[in-house]
Amino acid sequence: QQQVKQSPQSLIVQKGGISIINCAYENTAFDYFPWYQQFPGKGPALLIAIRPDVSEKKEGRFTISFNKSAKQFSLHIMDSQPGDSATYFCAASYRGYQKVTFGTGTKLQVIP
Amino acid sequence: GAVVSQHPSWVICKSGTSVKIECRSLDFQATTMFWYRQFPKQSLMLMATSNEGSKATYEQGVEKDKFLINHASLTLSTLTVTSAHPEDSSFYICSARDVLAGRNEQFFGPGTRLTVL
Repeated sequence: QQQVKQSPQSLIVQKGGISIINCAYENTAFDYFPWYQQFPGKGPALLIAIRPDVSEKKEGRFTISFNKSAKQFSLHIMDSQPGDSATYFCAASYRGYQKVTFGTGTKLQVIP
Repeated sequence: GAVVSQHPSWVICKSGTSVKIECRSLDFQATTMFWYRQFPKQSLMLMATSNEGSKATYEQGVEKDKFLINHASLTLSTLTVTSAHPEDSSFYICSARDVLAGRNEQFFGPGTRLTVL
């Protein structure tokens, strides 16, 4: 019930293209869904996050789409750039429960 | 704001020695800090939750006598790997919650690469 499933495991996108990473969860108590970006040898950095009372959140080139009924959420990176090449983790947690459950990660490579 | 630092960034030690890793919240008070372990090309695995002034809560399968956690102040938590062995080699990452800001997100440190020879 605590699991967050993430796909794909790796992704290669052409520069300027759209990168899409999908996640699914089981625990309906989750009410906070962050995405983290991690570069090699560095800690994860919060990229964008959403709560289930909205279906979409956009920050610059990054958009989270959230489907509460399907218990799925996804990250869209528009106009992908080589600098976006990193590993992306979706995650989930719920109020009062301090732990964050991470997805398995997606290694994104944006090629020129 | 919400910066978390770790020290050292990397450490190499001999088998059998102990290593201490520090995690500091630089611009906020963190009543709760978390310690993660990450193997190459894998996700983050939560090891323990550290609450200021109380004993840490360890995840199932994590040896609390081997991974000693101390959270003595609102801005500092330490992880000591005791009697380290090569299998303890990993990337250790801490995170902290900015509880006073009422936010749920965790802010992560840059990580510490531990190599045990």
